[in-house]
Amino acid sequence: DGGITQSPKYLFRKEGQNVTLSCEQNLNHDAMYWYRQDPGQGLRLIYYSQIVNDFQKGDIAEGYSVSREKKESFPLTVTSAQKNPTAFYLCDSMRYRGLCTDTQYFGPGTRLTVL
Amino acid sequence: KQEVTQIPAALSVPEGENLVLNCSFTDSAIYNLQWFRQDPGKGLTSLLLIQSSQREQTSGRLNASLDKSSGRSTLYIAASQPGDSATYLCAPAGGNTGTASKLTFGTGTRLQVTL
Repeated sequence: DGGITQSPKYLFRKEGQNVTLSCEQNLNHDAMYWYRQDPGQGLRLIYYSQIVNDFQKGDIAEGYSVSREKKESFPLTVTSAQKNPTAFYLCDSMRYRGLCTDTQYFGPGTRLTVL
Repeated sequence: KQEVTQIPAALSVPEGENLVLNCSFTDSAIYNLQWFRQDPGKGLTSLLLIQSSQREQTSGRLNASLDKSSGRSTLYIAASQPGDSATYLCAPAGGNTGTASKLTFGTGTRLQVTL
């Protein structure tokens, strides 16, 4: 069964802690993305990766870090430098063919709450 | 910077009505545009993908049109059902300030279909 998974579904963080959100896909997709969703603001791009061992900052990368060591995995670390991390985090993936883009598939999301 | 506006922000209709959701975007140099559905607390599901060279796409009771030069897209839902209740998001990809695979999201239209 092909798909994209995110874990955990809910995550609680204390002030000053780093936490890592998992995103895994078995769709053999090249490109993966992390978005943040806040009420009334739509989705905003944090980081994206179009190939293994390479990634680029999105619109709101400050306070976040990523890695892309394997094609299937694109974990997101929310660091203590992120001042307002409480949000719904969404990961998605896409088969990337340069200028020809394909349907994007989203994971179920992780809701992060800072205590 | 690409900006996306969706009107109306919320819509309530009785079952069986046909309805139109509107999306406008400021940068017309896009590669494609996707319409997504999001249920509360869930990830996004892609409904339709329109390439920049296309004028419309249809899937079942859904029809999406694209007028790239005027920066507009519409999603038409025929014979609405209570199961259509969700938030609908449009997302153009690319543009002059981004890569072909980067999506910019609107804040969505929250649809409620009543019995």
